[in-house]
Amino acid sequence: QPQLQESGPGLVKPSETLSLTCSVSGDSVTNSAYYWGWIRQPPGKGLEWIVSFSYSGSTYYSPSLRSRVTKSVDASKNQFSLKLRSMAAADTAVYYCARQFCSTTSCDAFDIWGRGSLVTVSS
Amino acid sequence: EIVLTQFPAILSLSPGERATLSCRASQSVSSNYLAWYQQRRGQAPRLLIYGASRRATGIPDRFSGSGSGSDFTLTVGRLEPEDFAVYYCQQYATVPLTFGLGTKVEIK
Repeated sequence: QPQLQESGPGLVKPSETLSLTCSVSGDSVTNSAYYWGWIRQPPGKGLEWIVSFSYSGSTYYSPSLRSRVTKSVDASKNQFSLKLRSMAAADTAVYYCARQFCSTTSCDAFDIWGRGSLVTVSS
Repeated sequence: EIVLTQFPAILSLSPGERATLSCRASQSVSSNYLAWYQQRRGQAPRLLIYGASRRATGIPDRFSGSGSGSDFTLTVGRLEPEDFAVYYCQQYATVPLTFGLGTKVEIK
């Protein structure tokens, strides 16, 4: 069973950039059958999708976050990453990485999730 | 953007009872690209159902999904103690991918 594990700073100051990494085991980030995604959940609230992307570069962004998001993939480390600029208190959330099966024409639900990484924005 | 409305917000039931959760989309979800997730306290979401009615790998058959178009239902046949959790629906037919606000199934 593939596993995903997020790692991040825990605490970020307002206006700074958040950097998160998701380490993949039991699968390869270069696997063309999958997209890799980020989803977040503010404390006590629901889930918000941020971005999904493939190793080949095909990417889908949430329109509300697109201008602040940078994603990347490091095949040598079997990891993928998220950067979110201009962090504010409203960005405080648990950030999850997840895997999404995709064919040439469509993508499926998120079948594997990491445990999540709590990020607090505070000075 | 497709808005998903889940109801009820809270469902109070006893172990052994049947749970029926609803998810209504603001527009038709093409190809029934609708999923259900379970989130236990302090844990990540877990995929239960995809394609509106297909059980994910390892999911017990007491979980079933139905519906099409803009109205979908998750049914838990007989609630086990570990089933008391929050359930989210999600559409993956169009970008942005969206989730409902969840239904909490609590012990009565």
